Amino acid sequence: DTAVSQTPKYLVTQMGNDKSIKCEQNLGHDTMYWYKQDSKKFLKIMFSYNNKELIINETVPNRFSPKSPDKAHLNLHINSLELGDSAVYFCASSPHGGLSTDTQYFGPGTRLTVL
Amino acid sequence: GDSVTQMEGPVTLSEEAFLTINCTYTATGYPSLFWYVQYPGEGLQLLLKATKADDKGSNKGFEATYRKETTSFHLEKGSVQVSDSAVYFCALRLTGGGNKLTFGTGTQLKVEL
Repeated sequence: DTAVSQTPKYLVTQMGNDKSIKCEQNLGHDTMYWYKQDSKKFLKIMFSYNNKELIINETVPNRFSPKSPDKAHLNLHINSLELGDSAVYFCASSPHGGLSTDTQYFGPGTRLTVL
Repeated sequence: GDSVTQMEGPVTLSEEAFLTINCTYTATGYPSLFWYVQYPGEGLQLLLKATKADDKGSNKGFEATYRKETTSFHLEKGSVQVSDSAVYFCALRLTGGGNKLTFGTGTQLKVEL
């Protein structure tokens, strides 16, 4: 069973479109995250939710809106896609929030290409 | 601000060679330190971690020791295999920082026969 799953794996779309990426974890974790990995492999956190509550919101354009319908899901919706949004987006989860020794478990990533 | 600096890659080694990937950090407070590995086409996997000074994390023949005096967490392996070819990320997390991981830029390792 996949612990952290993301759909779709690949997403190719035109500039200006709106798209969503879904993430689900079956680990019973309380906290979920979205990271963006750019073409140079630089990985940066975007958002974090703990029990459906937003706890980390880095400097991300407001075209990006995370949605957590329950603690097992954290979806990422992106409006008015731009070329610079092309990247690999990783979802992750961890058992609890705020504990410095908590391990984060990553999904396989979604490669978004904006044309 | 908090940051992680890794040696630039790619690092190319022959099988059975000794590996060192350097990682240093800057942080306010006392972070936990991690090494994650990303195999081609896959997500990140935790390789090892250390939560306090002088701790040694180890897994799959890889080791890293948390050195507070030099603010370093260098990754080492005595004998690499072709299957170790991947991108390795050093990361830190501060207590109370919302469980936020700060990553280095990654170091690509290529191991050849």
